[in-house]
This record gives sequence, C-alpha cells and structure tokens, in this order.
Amino acid sequence: DTAVSQTPKYLVTQMGNDKSIKCEQNLGHDTMYWYKQDSKKFLKIMFSYNNKELIINETVPNRFSPKSPDKAHLNLHINSLELGDSAVYFCASSQDQLNPYEQYFGPGTRLTVT
Amino acid sequence: AQSVAQPEDQVNVAEGNPLTVKCTYSVSGNPYLFWYVQYPNRGLQFLLKYITGDNLVKGSYGFEAEFNKSQTSFHLKKPSALVSDSALYFCAVKDRGSTLGRLYFGRGTQLTVWP
Repeated sequence: DTAVSQTPKYLVTQMGNDKSIKCEQNLGHDTMYWYKQDSKKFLKIMFSYNNKELIINETVPNRFSPKSPDKAHLNLHINSLELGDSAVYFCASSQDQLNPYEQYFGPGTRLTVT
Repeated sequence: AQSVAQPEDQVNVAEGNPLTVKCTYSVSGNPYLFWYVQYPNRGLQFLLKYITGDNLVKGSYGFEAEFNKSQTSFHLKKPSALVSDSALYFCAVKDRGSTLGRLYFGRGTQLTVWP
C-alpha cells in the first residue's frame, strides 16, 4: 500500500486556469507538507499542517491555497496559473512536527503550465 | 538563520570505490540532520538521520554519515559504491529547538556511479 499518494501524477494546463492537487497519507501521521521542486531540483517548502492546523506558510503567492479536510489529507489549490508555477509538487508527511521524525514523500505531481 | 550547503553539484565515482557526498550546515541551535535520496521521477526517500549519541550513523542501503560538530558537517559515505546508487542526494537540517517540523534542504548532489 502506498504510504503517501498524490493525484494527479501529471498535470498539463494553460495559463490562467485553476487546478488542484490532492494528497493522502495512510500512515496515521499528524503533520503534512507541500514542497515545490523547481527545474534545478531545488526543494522549497510551501506549507505545513499539523492536525489540520496551518503551521508553516512560506512566502508563496496567495494564488496557492492549501486545505486539510482531515489529518490524512492535504490538498493544494492553485488559482490563475502562471508559467512560473511549472514544477514538481511533492506532498510529505511525518509523525509530528516536534520530534526528529523523518518525512515520507509522495511520488510528486509534475505541473506544466503552457 | 538555518542553512545547508552541499558544495558539490555532482560527484562521480567508479563502482566498487568509496563515495563521499559532502554537507555542511548552519543552525542557531543544535541540529537534527538527515539524508534523503531521490531517484529519477520519484519522491525523496529517507536514508538516515543523526539525533544524538554516536557521531557515526548507519542507514539504508549500506550508507553511513558522520556528524562533526566542530566542522558543522554531516558527510554521507559508502565504502563501496554501486551503479544503483546513482541518484540525487539531499542533506537536510532541523533546528532542535524549533516547534515546527521544518526541514532546511541543501540544493542536492547528483551522484553518478559508473560501471
């Protein structure tokens, strides 16, 4: 069984569109994250939720809005997509945010904005 | 401010030779240190971590890393490289005093092991 899953795996869309990426973890973890990996493979945290509460909100455009309906799910909605949003988006989870638990990553969603 | 440096974008080694992937860090407090590996078109996978105790940490796939507090380094090592070790390796640090789960990642080092 996949520990952290994301859908879709690939997403190709045009500028100006709105899209969502879904993430689910079946590990019983309390904390979930969204990362953006650019074309140079640089990994940048975007958001983190702990038990459905937003705890990390990096400097990302407010076109990006995370939503956590329950602690097993963390979705990412992006409005008015721009060319620069093209990247691979990774969801991750960890047991909690206080202790040095490792993070488990999903397979990624490759977003291409044309 | 927290930061991680991986001074080499690329490391190339021959199969069977030892490998080292370097990492240095800067944190305001004491760190937790991690290594992750990313294979092509995959998410990151956890390799090993340093929390406390023995400075030499052993992890998955025969990898190990040595924590050196005086040099603020956490280099990843393997005695004998395999072609299948070829991947992108990320070092990450977490501030021990932080109440957030934030990891600070290095920029990654591409390891290529040739036959």
